[in-house]
This record gives sequence, structure tokens and C-alpha cells, in this order.
Amino acid sequence: GESVGLHLPTLSVQEGDNSIINCAYSNSASDYFIWYKQESGKGPQFIIDIRSNMDKRQGQRVTVLLNKTVKHLSLQIAATQPGDSAVYFCAESPLGQNFVFGPGTRLSVLP
Amino acid sequence: DAMVIQNPRYQVTQFGKPVTLSCSQTLNHNVMYWYQQKSSQAPKLLFHYYDKDFNNEADTPDNFQSRRPNTSFCFLDIRSPGLGDAAMYLCATSRDPAGIQETQYFGPGTRLLVL
Repeated sequence: GESVGLHLPTLSVQEGDNSIINCAYSNSASDYFIWYKQESGKGPQFIIDIRSNMDKRQGQRVTVLLNKTVKHLSLQIAATQPGDSAVYFCAESPLGQNFVFGPGTRLSVLP
Repeated sequence: DAMVIQNPRYQVTQFGKPVTLSCSQTLNHNVMYWYQQKSSQAPKLLFHYYDKDFNNEADTPDNFQSRRPNTSFCFLDIRSPGLGDAAMYLCATSRDPAGIQETQYFGPGTRLLVL
């Protein structure tokens, strides 16, 4: 069936460096995407979203890039901080359908 | 602040003993979801309510039921918990005008332990 996957299950970065977390999706009908951050023992927290009519969206220290041609989504975190350590999930939603979550990437920020 | 609240945060039950998890929201969203999340895995949708309409995922076991008595509250009932049902249970809400998907907001989750 359709699925969402991540290239890297774990990612370690130095504090202050930029982080890039990738997500591949397989449903070409997906038109809405969200990145969530989930800290240990907590529920997923919304970070940023993007619709398929855009290819880039920026928030505070975060940028989401969408490449519909290759069905690829990425989350860029600028100047990564210790508080950014968490598991990051991408989620896709085809129009009128529920979200499908990717397997998650654990981001570890090294001092 | 508007939010999604889950109670209790931790729940311990015995094998086969029915348990109910609660979720409430102050966002006035019309859609409410229940997810199951096991350790180091992505959340898995169990079912959702679009207003009063209940929508069950095809692979959700019959052991799991849900009730939504009003807009604000939604309950997850596990009729006969097994050891494999130990997990984090996440409630989420979204505003879904005219079928256009919008952001889901999650509660903090209830961690269920089955003894």
C-alpha cells in the first residue's frame, strides 16, 4: 500500500550546525504535509506544514521543502540546539484522507 | 489556552480488565482521532470521529471501541486489554472545513501498561 518513509532513522549533529531530516512519500495524491516533533513521553508537536501548491515554506529556524517530482519532503533546522533533540515525523495526507505517518527520525544534538 | 487534554497520563490495568481513556478539547474542532503508538514507532490511527460520524480503520481490532458524547469529549474503550495493547495512546483533533485537511493537534498521550 501507500507509505511514507524516511531515509535516515537516526541523525546526530553538532550544536549550532544545521540539520536536514528527509522523508520520502509514495502517494502522488498527497497534497498536505506536516512535520511533527515528539519529545520523549510527550505527544507530537506541530512544527510546520506545507501544501502541494508550494515547494518551500519557512518558519522560525525551520524550513520545509517539498519536491513533488521525486515525492520528497525535507525539514531543515537552522542552528540546531539541544532542545531540538527529539524524534521527528513527517505525515502526509491525500485530499479527503487521513494522515499517514513516516517511521520517524531521531535527532541527537551533540554538545 | 486552547488545548487537547488527555486523562490519565498513565494508566495501569490488568490483563483482560476493561479500561477507558479520556480526551477532551477546547479547540472546538469537529474531528477527533485516536492513535496507538508503540515504542520507537510512528502513531497508528485507530479511528476518528468527523462530528458524530464514527470512522474505523480497517485493521483496528474489535477490542477497541470509541465514544464521542459531544464535541469536546472522546473516549477510547479497550474491552479486554492484552499485553500487546500496552502503548501510548494519543488523541488528536483537527478542524476540517469542507473536507480540506488541516493540522492535527495532539494531546500529551496516555501511557497504558497492562499487567
